[in-house]
Amino acid sequence: GAVVSQHPSWVICKSGTSVKIECRSLDFQATTMFWYRQFPKQSLMLMATSNEGSKATYEQGVEKDKFLINHASLTLSTLTVTSAHPEDSSFYICSASPQRGGNNEQFFGPGTRLTVL
Amino acid sequence: LAKTTQPISMDSYEGQEVNITCSHNNIATNDYITWYQQFPSQGPRFIIQGYKTKVTNEVASLFIPADRKSSTLSLPRVSLSDTAVYYCPLRFSGGYNKLIFGAGTRLAVHP
Repeated sequence: GAVVSQHPSWVICKSGTSVKIECRSLDFQATTMFWYRQFPKQSLMLMATSNEGSKATYEQGVEKDKFLINHASLTLSTLTVTSAHPEDSSFYICSASPQRGGNNEQFFGPGTRLTVL
Repeated sequence: LAKTTQPISMDSYEGQEVNITCSHNNIATNDYITWYQQFPSQGPRFIIQGYKTKVTNEVASLFIPADRKSSTLSLPRVSLSDTAVYYCPLRFSGGYNKLIFGAGTRLAVHP
């Protein structure tokens, strides 16, 4: 199947700093990428839908100014957690979909563990 | 997009067949039923998807009744490595393949 990578796999930062997480589709072009957040023992929560060349669509309750998403190319989307605080500590997972609509599955990245001190 | 409901946890033994049910009473015409497996600290892995009736691949079968308000994932002869959380998000095919995850089922396979 298609491969999606994330970088870094884990990151520890101080409160107040910003952290950027990259999501790449390695062997296919992704017109759409998704960002999820997962707290321990909980399910994945969709944060936003990232479309190449246009603004991301955020789910209700997700602060767009805090979680900046950029989808500059068909193989790369980035999530920047701005002014991170301990409550932002979580497992961030991206996924990519090869084409809009249709019958294609989403391919998930391995996740990025963010710890804010 | 409708959320799904699953049993919180299940236990099984090696070699047994495991059936995990998923309820999606408010499924829409354009929704596909998908199943994912997730191990701790990893991204979900696609298992199978279907729209109606039965779908089978090399690892699982998916049974969907005519009304599509539920589905059952069948794992034949599970092993210890099948211990994981299983999710059945619906995928809206008319848009951006958006998935909304429910709570999932934590399957524990015992020796």
